[in-house]
Amino acid sequence: SAVISQKPSRDICQRGTSLTIQCQVDSQVTMMFWYRQQPGQSLTLIATANQGSEATYESGFVIDKFPISRPNLTFSTLTVSNMSPEDSSIYLCSVVEDMQQPQHFGDGTRLSIL
Amino acid sequence: QKEVEQDPGPLSVPEGAIVSLNCTYSNSAFQYFMWYRQYSRKGPELLMYTYSSGNKEDGRFTAQVDKSSKYISLFIRDSQPSDSATYLCAIGGGGNKLTFGTGTQLKVEL
Repeated sequence: SAVISQKPSRDICQRGTSLTIQCQVDSQVTMMFWYRQQPGQSLTLIATANQGSEATYESGFVIDKFPISRPNLTFSTLTVSNMSPEDSSIYLCSVVEDMQQPQHFGDGTRLSIL
Repeated sequence: QKEVEQDPGPLSVPEGAIVSLNCTYSNSAFQYFMWYRQYSRKGPELLMYTYSSGNKEDGRFTAQVDKSSKYISLFIRDSQPSDSATYLCAIGGGGNKLTFGTGTQLKVEL
């Protein structure tokens, strides 16, 4: 399966700042997704990153707070904007190599907001 | 009612035991079923996936799906300390979207 690299692996940020998380895949993939994993909770889908167009956001998530880019078939970024302590979480990138294939995940970005 | 329910555990078993992990779901439109294993400070790693009712075996792992009861299980035979992790069930419908359970934390003790 594809090798998925996320950067940074962890960060501690100040309230009110923004952080951009990168997801790089070693081969072209059909779909890319961004999830949030909060302590003791299940993975929650933030959005589907669409290549060359605006991401598709799930209920409860908006572009102003979580802008996403996907300029090509191997790379995507998620920005967490105007951060507050409630944004402290693990953010995960996942990919689907071909349709009808399962999702594979990166190791995530552990984000703490002070 | 949550779309996917999973017993959070934690579950502690002795080495060599058979482990049973379970999830129930509410939406009969779900079409595919997956189990992921997540070690501490790592992302979820795909263990098993299936599209149909019945059993699927891979080494010490068996995934079981009962669509009529909306119930899925993962069995681990001859459990090892290296199996200690959080196990997540994930169930999907159209568009490759997945709905995850909250995860069951498993510890296999020597």
